[in-house]
Amino acid sequence: AHLLESGGGLVQPGGSLRLSCAASGFTFGDYAMSWVRQAPGKGLEWVSIITSSGASSDYADSVKGRFTISRDNAKNTLSLQMNTLRAEDTALYYCAKAGATILSPFDIWGQGTVVTVSS
Amino acid sequence: DIQMTQSPSSLSASVGDRVTITCQASQDISKYLNWYQHKPGKAPKLLIYDASNLETGVPSRFSGSGSGTDFTFTISSLQPEDIATYYCQQYDNLPLTFGGGTKVEIK
Repeated sequence: AHLLESGGGLVQPGGSLRLSCAASGFTFGDYAMSWVRQAPGKGLEWVSIITSSGASSDYADSVKGRFTISRDNAKNTLSLQMNTLRAEDTALYYCAKAGATILSPFDIWGQGTVVTVSS
Repeated sequence: DIQMTQSPSSLSASVGDRVTITCQASQDISKYLNWYQHKPGKAPKLLIYDASNLETGVPSRFSGSGSGTDFTFTISSLQPEDIATYYCQQYDNLPLTFGGGTKVEIK
């Protein structure tokens, strides 16, 4: 099983960015998927999660209303649309595989993609 | 939200030492507690799930215990490759929350 994130980069405050996570080696559509981030010098922070079907999702309060998680089970891809970005969104963003339900351990993680929000 | 308080924030121990990290939840989370290992530049790795179950392929020197609000993570004999930051994480309820992390170094 493998996860590969992409789409990170440098963006100005107030800007937008879309992250992607390509999954392989497992039946993507059977599992909930999540985004977790790590700001420079800080610990891990859960960002968002989506059910296996994509029908339901949830967000940390810090990103609610600005970020949107989605998935394409036909293309084995998870996405995170990030709008109205702030300096405090600067972080390494990880894609993580959960279990069949959203309340389950993250057993597979990607290497991460860096997002820098700065003018 | 469930707050996870992890201690210590860092520790230094010798190779072969027994290392213990604690994690306290702000409310009862039953057994729904994971432990992850995170090395710089690497993806986090699940070590323990459901408080005490060892993930497949993880060395037996790692172990976890506890339930309710108080949990413990132990490395029975610290090895050089265990240098990393360790995080607890609850999955009893959303939002999912992590402890602040414990950085483990070799003395």
